[in-house]
Amino acid sequence: EAGVVQSPRYKIIEKKQPVAFWCNPISGHNTLYWYLQNLGQGPELLIRYENEEAVDDSQLPKDRFSAERLKGVDSTLKIQPAELGDSAVYLCASSLDASSYNEQFFGPGTRLTVL
Amino acid sequence: AQSVTQLDSHVSVSEGTPVLLRCNYSSSYSPSLFWYVQHPNKGLQLLLKYTSAATLVKGINGFEAEFKKSETSFHLTKPSAHMSDAAEYFCVRILTGNQFYFGTGTSLTVIP
Repeated sequence: EAGVVQSPRYKIIEKKQPVAFWCNPISGHNTLYWYLQNLGQGPELLIRYENEEAVDDSQLPKDRFSAERLKGVDSTLKIQPAELGDSAVYLCASSLDASSYNEQFFGPGTRLTVL
Repeated sequence: AQSVTQLDSHVSVSEGTPVLLRCNYSSSYSPSLFWYVQHPNKGLQLLLKYTSAATLVKGINGFEAEFKKSETSFHLTKPSAHMSDAAEYFCVRILTGNQFYFGTGTSLTVIP
């Protein structure tokens, strides 16, 4: 069974440019998460989806970040415009649902470098 | 605040010797806690989880962790380190709605 797929794996852009990350969760998983992982830190939640609904986006910087999950499957996270401080790894994860103690399955991440 | 603290940012052990990665939590009640491992260029993988059942939890690859309420700890151990254990390890606290709160991580180096 395929795991969580993310693309691209690496992205280098100049500041003020837009960038988008794509995530395909495990088939049948209703809950999808986007995390931000800075160097030397643990992942921090940006947004959580239940099917196509964003149920927790309190940590998403809405002035420049946006996300969508069309049809409750794939998801895209966008940054526009990117800033130097956005350089990090962006992780996508999925779980069967948001019931407590459900394992979250993580993709390999997209490493973003903003020059 | 409800959080976890990983006491060591880096741990080095020789191959074949025991591994101890420390995690403490702050809470007035018993939380649910997981350990995840992150190998370079790979996704985070669940090692084991504690959800208020048995206090000694066995996970994959020979790892185990013991929940000690008296010490507010959930340390990860393995009797004998293998080269393939070199990775970043995260202690994770589970909040309502299956929200994950990650510790800052411990980088494990295994010396041949």
